[in-house]
Amino acid sequence: DTGVSQDPRHKITKRGQNVTFRCDPISEHNRLYWYRQTLGQGPEFLTYFQNEAQLEKSRLLSDRFSAERPKGSFSTLEIQRTEQGDSAMYLCASSHDWAGYGYTFGSGTRLTVV
Amino acid sequence: DAKTTQPPSMDCAEGRAANLPCNHSTISGNEYVYWYRQIHSQGPQYIIHGLKNNETNEMASLIITEDRKSSTLILPHATLRDTAVYYCIVRVATVNNQGGKLIFGQGTELSVKP
Repeated sequence: DTGVSQDPRHKITKRGQNVTFRCDPISEHNRLYWYRQTLGQGPEFLTYFQNEAQLEKSRLLSDRFSAERPKGSFSTLEIQRTEQGDSAMYLCASSHDWAGYGYTFGSGTRLTVV
Repeated sequence: DAKTTQPPSMDCAEGRAANLPCNHSTISGNEYVYWYRQIHSQGPQYIIHGLKNNETNEMASLIITEDRKSSTLILPHATLRDTAVYYCIVRVATVNNQGGKLIFGQGTELSVKP
């Protein structure tokens, strides 16, 4: 297992376009998290899944954002009608369902909206 | 919101010990202290965690005060590769046997200088 994989690493899009990011967690991890990080700030929680169930969504996750985790494996995060304020690093992490120390993060997808 | 307070930046000479403080004066009895670090352009990486006893692993030591209101992460012999942002996080170990999300603050940017 090579850890948490995120694709693409970088994405440049025009304002108003839709984008989708993919995260492949560590295979035995039940929980999957999405975070957003802007320059100079710590990661901000967006949402998490326990298997295929989305258990919590942050208020940061506006109606333009949607996340899925079909079959409890990989996850996708879609942003519709992108805005310049969506420019950020989008991080995915996975963990066992009980371990607070066992988070493994991917290297993130850096989104630039022009 | 993050429940911890950390200095925004610190410098350390290569080969010396780096001592990173964290204040968590409102910590509850069932909350652990976790430390993660984030090297530039990578996702956060777990370092160490503890409840009330001091902890040591191959990466670092964690000293928690007796009243648990503050802690110090110690990197015993800092190297240039330890330059990163260090996050101190408090969180319950499990919530109904389900691990809750990690809430990051702004962390401490540690610069290790030759």
